[in-house]
Amino acid sequence: AQTVTQSQPEMSVQEAETVTLSCTYDTSESDYYLFWYKQPPSRQMILVIRQEAYKQQNATENRFSVNFQKAAKSFSLKISDSQLGDAAMYFCAYRSPNNNNDMRFGAGTRLTVKP
Amino acid sequence: DAGVTQSPTHLIKTRGQQVTLRCSPKSGHDTVSWYQQALGQGPQFIFQYYEEEERQRGNFPDRFSGHQFPNYSSELNVNALLLGDSALYLCASSPRMKGWETQYFGPGTRLLVL
Repeated sequence: AQTVTQSQPEMSVQEAETVTLSCTYDTSESDYYLFWYKQPPSRQMILVIRQEAYKQQNATENRFSVNFQKAAKSFSLKISDSQLGDAAMYFCAYRSPNNNNDMRFGAGTRLTVKP
Repeated sequence: DAGVTQSPTHLIKTRGQQVTLRCSPKSGHDTVSWYQQALGQGPQFIFQYYEEEERQRGNFPDRFSGHQFPNYSSELNVNALLLGDSALYLCASSPRMKGWETQYFGPGTRLLVL
């Protein structure tokens, strides 16, 4: 079974600086999808960025980018120019197209942004 | 365009009772997945519905059951509630069978079992 590991329970960053959140996963599949979701105190999970495993190019969405290392099964999220509104729980998730799209989440990383 | 909606937002029950949670998917989405998120943890997959049938199930007991209606909305039922069922229950919707499609999440229902 696929597992997702986020080894950093908490991270903090100074406003306007850059922070990287780590995620590793375990799978025997060659095709899959990876996601980073943000969950602010309001509880609603919001998609930050996604990556298809067959694409070598790292996904980028404005200040958010990923470092996808397929061989190492690593999928880190980089947040540039951090803003106070970035403070939230961040979850890494794995989704298999071969398993009826079951989504597996990591335990999350709580990001604090200091003014 | 309304996103995923869930009701109620909060619920308090006692052990042994039964509860029903509701979810309306995002417009254009026909697949609904339910997740349980215990405090301080990531969401755990409960089951997924499309075409009004349960298509896949996570590692949850039969006390957890669901239903999908012709308009794609869905219910999650939990019988014989245990203290350990206290959690945030999230509903997510997506177009059917497209793994690359993003799942959109609702705001969740916070269930407290006393």
